[in-house]
Amino acid sequence: DTAVSQTPKYLVTQMGNDKSIKCEQNLGHDTMYWYKQDSKKFLKIMFSYNNKELIINETVPNRFSPKSPDKAHLNLHINSLELGDSAVYFCASSRADGETQYFGPGTRLLVL
Amino acid sequence: AQSVTQLGSHVSVSEGALVLLRCNYSSSVPPYLFWYVQYPNQGLQLLLKYTTGATLVKGINGFEAEFKKSETSFHLTKPSAHMSDAAEYFCAVSYTGTASKLTFGTGTRLQVTL
Repeated sequence: DTAVSQTPKYLVTQMGNDKSIKCEQNLGHDTMYWYKQDSKKFLKIMFSYNNKELIINETVPNRFSPKSPDKAHLNLHINSLELGDSAVYFCASSRADGETQYFGPGTRLLVL
Repeated sequence: AQSVTQLGSHVSVSEGALVLLRCNYSSSVPPYLFWYVQYPNQGLQLLLKYTTGATLVKGINGFEAEFKKSETSFHLTKPSAHMSDAAEYFCAVSYTGTASKLTFGTGTRLQVTL
């Protein structure tokens, strides 16, 4: 069984569209994260949720809105997609103490 | 604020040679330190981590790293490289606390040649 899963794996869309990426973890963790990996492979935290509560919001444009319906799921909705949003988005989860984060396989977003 | 510096964006070694990937960190509080590996078009896999206790930590696939507080370093080593080790390696730091974020280095691409 996959510990952290993301859908879709690939996403190609036009500028201006709205899209969502879903993440689910079956590890029983309390905390979930979204990271963005740019074209130079640099990884940066975007958001973190603990027990469905937003904990970290790293000055991400408000076109990005995370939603956590329960502590096993953290979805990322992106409005009005821009070319610069093209990246790989990784979901991760950890225990509440944030010690070790387990990553999903990533969603490769390409905005045309 | 915490940060991570990985010296060398690209390291090339021969198969069977020693692998040494460098990582230095800065943190105002005792850090948790991690090495992750990313194979092409895949997610990140934890190689090893240091939280407390023994400063030499062993991970998967024969890798190990030593936490040196005086040098603020956490270099990754493997005695003998294998072709399958070719990947991108990321050093990261966090600290204890609720929903601690990982701060990553810029990554080091390891190439293994015959």
